[in-house]
Amino acid sequence: DTEVTQTPKHLVMGMTNKKSLKCEQHMGHRAMYWYKQKAKKPPELMFVYSYEKLSINESVPSRFSPECPNSSLLNLHLHALQPEDSALYLCASSPKGDPGQVTQPQHFGDGTRLSIL
Amino acid sequence: SQELEQSPQSLIVQEGKNLTINCTSSKTLYGLYWYKQKYGEGLIFLMMLQKGGEEKSHEKITAKLDEKKQQSSLHITASQPSHAGIYLCGADWGPTGNQFYFGTGTSLTVIP
Repeated sequence: DTEVTQTPKHLVMGMTNKKSLKCEQHMGHRAMYWYKQKAKKPPELMFVYSYEKLSINESVPSRFSPECPNSSLLNLHLHALQPEDSALYLCASSPKGDPGQVTQPQHFGDGTRLSIL
Repeated sequence: SQELEQSPQSLIVQEGKNLTINCTSSKTLYGLYWYKQKYGEGLIFLMMLQKGGEEKSHEKITAKLDEKKQQSSLHITASQPSHAGIYLCGADWGPTGNQFYFGTGTSLTVIP
């Protein structure tokens, strides 16, 4: 069982729909991450939140909108997605938050399998 | 561009055999992580290496980081079907951990 919970596990949506992916952790971690993973490829970093503030946006299209309402929750709002956005979306968290801190491993959720029709 | 290369890309071994997976970075690492992933699932953290020459073991899996901190190896002794999956190395290239990238991955199949 993972300590990072992602919902839903599967999502099918049309290109005009608006939906959200949710991620929750209760380990007291202050850094949270969104990754996108295509089949047979490694995960690619999308966003990093550190102390509820967006610190990294890896040139992700604006149809993906992250939100970190509090230290335990991370959302990814989806709007007007394209078929090529179909992928496994992974959330992760880590204890590290401040610059200069010794890096710490990220803990991953089981992901949301997203299919765009 | 892939600055973190893994080899081999895939591996098929007979149960009981030993195997090694390599991860090579194009630059010095602040931290090197090994993860395992079952198809379509999340990543399971295996080990973290930070010091040059460091070696860690967990059950039948041993990971090493070379002195220059640019290459790591993952060694599995007496492989079992439960070891099957995709092994990913991940690297921090900055002290803040905000420059984190995964390697290309190694798919391991263990034949009973």
